[in-house]
Amino acid sequence: DAGVIQSPRHEVTEMGQEVTLRCKPISGHDYLFWYRQTMMRGLELLIYFNNNVPIDDSGMPEDRFSAKMPNASFSTLKIQPSEPRDSAVYFCASSLSLSASRDEQFFGPGTRLTVL
Amino acid sequence: SQQGEEDPQALSIQEGENATMNCSYKTSINNLQWYRQNSGRGLVHLILIRSNEREKHSGRLRVTLDTSKKSSSLLITASRAADTASYFCATDDNQGGKLIFGQGTELSVKP
Repeated sequence: DAGVIQSPRHEVTEMGQEVTLRCKPISGHDYLFWYRQTMMRGLELLIYFNNNVPIDDSGMPEDRFSAKMPNASFSTLKIQPSEPRDSAVYFCASSLSLSASRDEQFFGPGTRLTVL
Repeated sequence: SQQGEEDPQALSIQEGENATMNCSYKTSINNLQWYRQNSGRGLVHLILIRSNEREKHSGRLRVTLDTSKKSSSLLITASRAADTASYFCATDDNQGGKLIFGQGTELSVKP
């Protein structure tokens, strides 16, 4: 298995532009997570899905952020409009089940976003 | 809200020495996990310890859990330069199992 795949690996954009980050989870995993990592706030959970349905989006910073999972093998995180403070590394992770007693999370390589 | 907090924030040792990192958390948990992150990479799962376990081993890794003190430690024995990375503890929120990560310990192992 190729693991969790994210694209692009790097994104540089200007303030106000729309940014779309993409993720392909490991086949067969029921859960998908989007995280954001910054020096100031560390690793933050933004949203997670179970069987393509958003379960908890309490970590999404504001309405400029939206996430979708149209099918079991694809998810997007969109920022519109982007702002310099959105600059961070965004990780996608997947797991077989939500129970931390059974399953680890598998992380993708991340997308490094820079908003100028 | 942050659940796990690692200590120290940074640790620098010589190859061959042991490295110990600590994690404290605030509320009761079902389990605690440790992850490693190499520079520019995603996190990689190292080991999971359940709330009813006190110690667990995996290769050169030894994890302890003290639920009465709400703390865990990760010991890496006979460290290698390749162990240089950031190490994070992660705890579930005791409600649904989503993980909450600490700020991490940055370990540097000098050859």
